Amino acid sequence: AQSVTQPDIHITVSEGASLELRCNYSYGATPYLFWYVQSPGQGLQLLLKYFSGDTLVQGIKGFEAEFKRSQSSFNLRKPSVHWSDAAEYFCAPRSNDYKLSFGAGTTVTVRA
Amino acid sequence: NAGVTQTPKFRILKIGQSMTLQCTQDMNHNYMYWYRQDPGMGLKLIYYSVGAGITDKGEVPNGYNVSRSTTEDFPLRLELAAPSQTSVYFCASGGVGTLAPEAFFGQGTRLTVV
Repeated sequence: AQSVTQPDIHITVSEGASLELRCNYSYGATPYLFWYVQSPGQGLQLLLKYFSGDTLVQGIKGFEAEFKRSQSSFNLRKPSVHWSDAAEYFCAPRSNDYKLSFGAGTTVTVRA
Repeated sequence: NAGVTQTPKFRILKIGQSMTLQCTQDMNHNYMYWYRQDPGMGLKLIYYSVGAGITDKGEVPNGYNVSRSTTEDFPLRLELAAPSQTSVYFCASGGVGTLAPEAFFGQGTRLTVV
């Protein structure tokens, strides 16, 4: 069965520090992979996406993610976090039949 | 360009009532999705559609129905509303191919069943 796991429910990071959010998936074939961000009370905004090619992808707001086939992972990173990055982050694989699933999400708190 | 539009934004239903959540997109996308989001639970796929006339169940379809008579519209029907259906509902749409495979989301409908 297809599944996606975000092992960290909540992460607290200091402003200016680096951030890494983990995502692991279990699919028969490599799915399309997305990271979305949701600010409180808001809809979902796409941060970045991967479907082929370079395994390090750049997104908006200074985020990047690295696809590792051998580990079935697609971890999200940011070198220096800003207070405005406090939000909930979702990893979302999409299978070849266009079924888009979401992980449980990681809530990021940024402390001054 | 409006993108994905959901109506209403808020609704309170009484147990046993029914309602339709509307979703329309103006991007000529083939694929459309309905999700519900409960606190701490991420987004759960209710139904999705790969084109007009075709719908498929997601992870949590019980208590819901959908139809896709046009490319633009993908309404979600709740029959006999229950408190367990209190949630925030998101509609999304996505295109085909590798150029723009991501889904675009509406702003959500917050539904309370009392």
